[in-house]
Amino acid sequence: DAKTTQPNSMESNEEEPVHLPCNHSTISGTDYIHWYRQLPSQGPEYVIHGLTSNVNNRMASLAIAEDRKSSTLILHRATLRDAAVYYCIPYTGNQFYFGTGTSLTVIP
Amino acid sequence: NAGVTQTPKFRILKIGQSMTLQCAQDMNHNYMYWYRQDPGMGLKLIYYSVGAGITDKGEVPNGYNVSRSTTEDFPLRLELAAPSQTSVYFCASSWAGIGELFFGEGSRLTVL
Repeated sequence: DAKTTQPNSMESNEEEPVHLPCNHSTISGTDYIHWYRQLPSQGPEYVIHGLTSNVNNRMASLAIAEDRKSSTLILHRATLRDAAVYYCIPYTGNQFYFGTGTSLTVIP
Repeated sequence: NAGVTQTPKFRILKIGQSMTLQCAQDMNHNYMYWYRQDPGMGLKLIYYSVGAGITDKGEVPNGYNVSRSTTEDFPLRLELAAPSQTSVYFCASSWAGIGELFFGEGSRLTVL
């Protein structure tokens, strides 16, 4: 199973960009990289996923290193609503393992 | 759109009792998952299913059982409830396992 390493916590000022890193050095060549977030007292919600190329959607951008051993979730302008725990998940073997994630605090 | 529906939302059990957490999805997803989340912790995978009639263990399957007789439903059975099973349980589904995971709202279980 691919293992991930994420910072336990990060802070960002409101309306500034946020770069959330994730190391997944044991990822296999066919594992998609997923990002989910969990707002307080809610279930996880999908943010973005990708395989090799950088990906963009209305919520965020995902930058994947060329060797695929790391990726970075980019929130272009942090809002107070973005305060959540962010999980980086290499999808492997039909299973999503969530790990402990990064707790993002957004400072007004 | 209902998405993933979990019932009940809240339940209190006594030690040794049994119960079933229900999960239903209306998106025709073949993959379904059960997770538990203890306070302040990440989600742990209990069981998953890649289609009707096929189930497999995740990280923490002990004390639980599942079945998948239809594409829509994936119930989680707790036998002989223990205080260690006090948690919030989430059911999720996805298409083919690589797409977006859709989560239910969760079921909060307390075992006293």
